[in-house]
Amino acid sequence: LAKTTQPISMDSYEGQEVNITCSHNNIATNDYITWYQQFPSQGPRFIIQGYKTKVTNEVASLFIPADRKSSTLSLPRVSLSDTAVYYCLVGDMEGSYIPTFGRGTSLIVHP
Amino acid sequence: SQTIHQWPATLVQPVGSPLSLECTVEGTSNPNLYWYRQAAGRGLQLLFYSVGIGQISSEVPQNLSASRPQDRQFILSSKKLLLSDSGFYLCAWSDMGFNYGYTFGSGTRLTVV
Repeated sequence: LAKTTQPISMDSYEGQEVNITCSHNNIATNDYITWYQQFPSQGPRFIIQGYKTKVTNEVASLFIPADRKSSTLSLPRVSLSDTAVYYCLVGDMEGSYIPTFGRGTSLIVHP
Repeated sequence: SQTIHQWPATLVQPVGSPLSLECTVEGTSNPNLYWYRQAAGRGLQLLFYSVGIGQISSEVPQNLSASRPQDRQFILSSKKLLLSDSGFYLCAWSDMGFNYGYTFGSGTRLTVV
């Protein structure tokens, strides 16, 4: 199983770009990388998913280097409402195992 | 579109009382269903998952149980709650095979007193 490691917490200020890196050294060939966002007292919600290189949507960008042993979630110009916990998960599309949510990264955006 | 419903939103129960949390999914068929628990300041702990009616896999031994009486219904139960059962319980579903990740319900905040 691919284990992930993320920083426990990060601080930023409104308008800044935030990059959260996740390490997954033993990622398997069939594994995809998925990021979730969780606000207090709510369930996590899907943000972005990728396999390699770069993926961008209206919310964030996901950068994955060629060796795929890490990934970086990039949030452009954060606002106070981006204060949340961000989880990185690694899992295969076939569902041969269930990826684990760790403690995630608690991002606090300051005014 | 698919939706997931989870209730109640909050629950306060005395120690030793029974528990029943219900989760239903609409707009899909044969989903994978999951129950997670999140203690304060902690990550999500997978409790149970189900790939079909009557098929339940337990990840953590405890005094909780789960059942799937219908394709899109997942129930979390306990005969006697413990103080340590307090937490935030989340139901989630996914397509067969983790295609597009999990979709979570709104959660139930359980306080055992």
